[in-house]
Amino acid sequence: GQNIDQPTEMTATEGAIVQINCTYQTSGFNGLFWYQQHAGEAPTFLSYNVLDGLEEKGRFSSFLSRSKGYSYLLLKELQMKDSASYLCAVRDENYQLIWGAGTKLIIKP
Amino acid sequence: GAVVSQHPSWVICKSGTSVKIECRSLDFQATTMFWYRQFPKQSLMLMATSNEGSKATYEQGVEKDKFLINHASLTLSTLTVTSAHPEDSSFYICSATERQAGNSPLHFGNGTRLTVT
Repeated sequence: GQNIDQPTEMTATEGAIVQINCTYQTSGFNGLFWYQQHAGEAPTFLSYNVLDGLEEKGRFSSFLSRSKGYSYLLLKELQMKDSASYLCAVRDENYQLIWGAGTKLIIKP
Repeated sequence: GAVVSQHPSWVICKSGTSVKIECRSLDFQATTMFWYRQFPKQSLMLMATSNEGSKATYEQGVEKDKFLINHASLTLSTLTVTSAHPEDSSFYICSATERQAGNSPLHFGNGTRLTVT
């Protein structure tokens, strides 16, 4: 079966750096997405990786290793507004999006 | 950027009634839209794929006669929850992509919180 694993919850301090990991096992691979979802709101797109390596976008970076079935989302200079759930999703061989359960990130002052 | 509008944001209805949720792509045409449901503290669950001008494709376990989907134009898809029951209370979210390409992200509407009393 297809599976995406992320930690359920993480806690970090304002101003610090946090890395959220995602491992996947899917039938085929056509890219990996990271989304941010604040409580009670819909997800918003953060990043896309299809080739190995690091994609940087401001305070957020996303890394992919296809051979390891692994990705991480790196958040720098954490702000209180970064408290949210972060969803990892993989597009499989049929271009269907397979979603992880999300990682709830709690930022403490 | 691509904007998806969903209406209403929240709705409370009595058990046995029907509720219609609208999803519009405001600045792009979406031949395909997706309807998700999300229960508290759980991940997104794809309910169905809505195709313009044809029947929707439902995921296993989703009752097509209960969750009616109509995709009448390239910018509008509707989801009607028929004969709603309290267990249908959930957060319903629609989404669409601008183009059929691997790197095209899903853009989500703001979601509809349905409460059935």
